[in-house]
Amino acid sequence: DTAVSQTPKYLVTQMGNDKSIKCEQNLGHDTMYWYKQDSKKFLKIMFSYNNKELIINETVPNRFSPKSPDKAHLNLHINSLELGDSAVYFCASSNMDGGTEAFFGQGTRLTVV
Amino acid sequence: LAKTTQPISMDSYEGQEVNITCSHNNIATNDYITWYQQFPSQGPRFIIQGYKTKVTNEVASLFIPADRKSSTLSLPRVSLSDTAVYYCLVTRTGANNLFFGTGTRLTVIP
Repeated sequence: DTAVSQTPKYLVTQMGNDKSIKCEQNLGHDTMYWYKQDSKKFLKIMFSYNNKELIINETVPNRFSPKSPDKAHLNLHINSLELGDSAVYFCASSNMDGGTEAFFGQGTRLTVV
Repeated sequence: LAKTTQPISMDSYEGQEVNITCSHNNIATNDYITWYQQFPSQGPRFIIQGYKTKVTNEVASLFIPADRKSSTLSLPRVSLSDTAVYYCLVTRTGANNLFFGTGTRLTVIP
C-alpha cells in the first residue's frame, strides 16, 4: 500500500492548458503539502493544509489552486500553464502533533511545451 | 525557522564513513534537527531526527553538540546506493511547514 500517492506520474501539456494533479494519503495524517522541485533541484514549499484548511500559501501565482475535499486528499489545479511551470511536483503529508516526519509521494513530472 | 547551511556536494569511496555537517546558528529552543534523503526521481525520505546529543537508528547517527548550532549526520560504511541528496532541516512540531535548503549531494565512488 502506497502511503502517499500522486497521479499522474508524468504530465505533458501545452501552454495555456489547465491541468490537475491528485494526491491521496492513507496514513491518517492531518497535514498535507505541495512542493515544487525545479530543474536546479531546489525543493520549495507551495502550500500546506491542516485538516482541510489552508495554513501556508507561499509566493505562488494564483493560477495554482489547491483543493482539499477531505483531510486525506489535496489536489493541485493549475490554470493557464506556462513554460516556467515545468517541474516535479511533490505531495507530502505529516502529523502536526506527532513530530515532523513527512512522507512524500513519488512526484509528478510536469512538462509544459 | 532557522536557516541551515551545509556543503553543496561531497564524494566518498564505498565502505567509508561519511559525515555531513549542517549549521543552524539561529535554532530556537523548541526546534528539532531533521534529515531527509532524496534519490533521483523520488520524493525525499525521512532519515533521522534529534534534539540534542546523539541519536542513532538503523540508517544513520545524528550528533548534536550542546549549543545545538550545528549537527552532523553520520553514515557508516556507505555503499553506492547511498548516493543521494541529503537535506538538513530545522523543524518545529505544529509549524506546518518543512523548508528544504540546497542539500548536500553525496556521490559514493566504487
